Amino acid sequence: GENVEQHPSTLSVQEGDSAVIKCTYSDSASNYFPWYKQELGKRPQLIIDIRSNVGEKKDQRIAVTLNKTAKHFSLHITETQPEDSAVYFCAASRGGGADGLTFGKGTHLIIQP
Amino acid sequence: KAGVTQTPRYLIKTRGQQVTLSCSPISGHRSVSWYQQTPGQGLQFLFEYFSETQRNKGNFPGRFSGRQFSNSRSEMNVSTLELGDSALYLCASRNQGAYGYTFGSGTRLTVV
Repeated sequence: GENVEQHPSTLSVQEGDSAVIKCTYSDSASNYFPWYKQELGKRPQLIIDIRSNVGEKKDQRIAVTLNKTAKHFSLHITETQPEDSAVYFCAASRGGGADGLTFGKGTHLIIQP
Repeated sequence: KAGVTQTPRYLIKTRGQQVTLSCSPISGHRSVSWYQQTPGQGLQFLFEYFSETQRNKGNFPGRFSGRQFSNSRSEMNVSTLELGDSALYLCASRNQGAYGYTFGSGTRLTVV
């Protein structure tokens, strides 16, 4: 089955700096790669996703890049703000998610004032 | 539009008992999936339902089961509870043909 590895497990950045979280996946048939943000005690929220026919996608301060050949994808957050502090999860799936999402272990992003 | 609703929010059960959790998807969403979240294992896929049919199942023992009703509401059942079943159980729904899942707030199950 699919295996998703996520790094780093904890990332501390100064407010205003950029943050990058990286994930690798094992199943070359995976075609959908979402990123979720989970604040303490709250539900995971989809913040951005990318499909395998696209190499990069941006939404304001957030971007995701995908390298299908190397089987890795990354989340980039620019101009970080205190409200960006949370745990971020990457995931991969095939078949539009009908096989279920396989999640990475999560990255605890800490924004230092 | 109401989000994904899970009930109850919290549950405490004794080892050996069984439990049923409920999930109401976003109106119009026919796909419902379930995930277990623990500090050690993270988020793990349990199963997905579409139009009352289980489409896929994760790597969990047969004690974990689910079903979906004609109105797309879903339930999951865990029988013969073990201490290791203590977790946050999350339900997620998505629209037909869409890729993105919306998660509910979860049911926090504690087995004592």
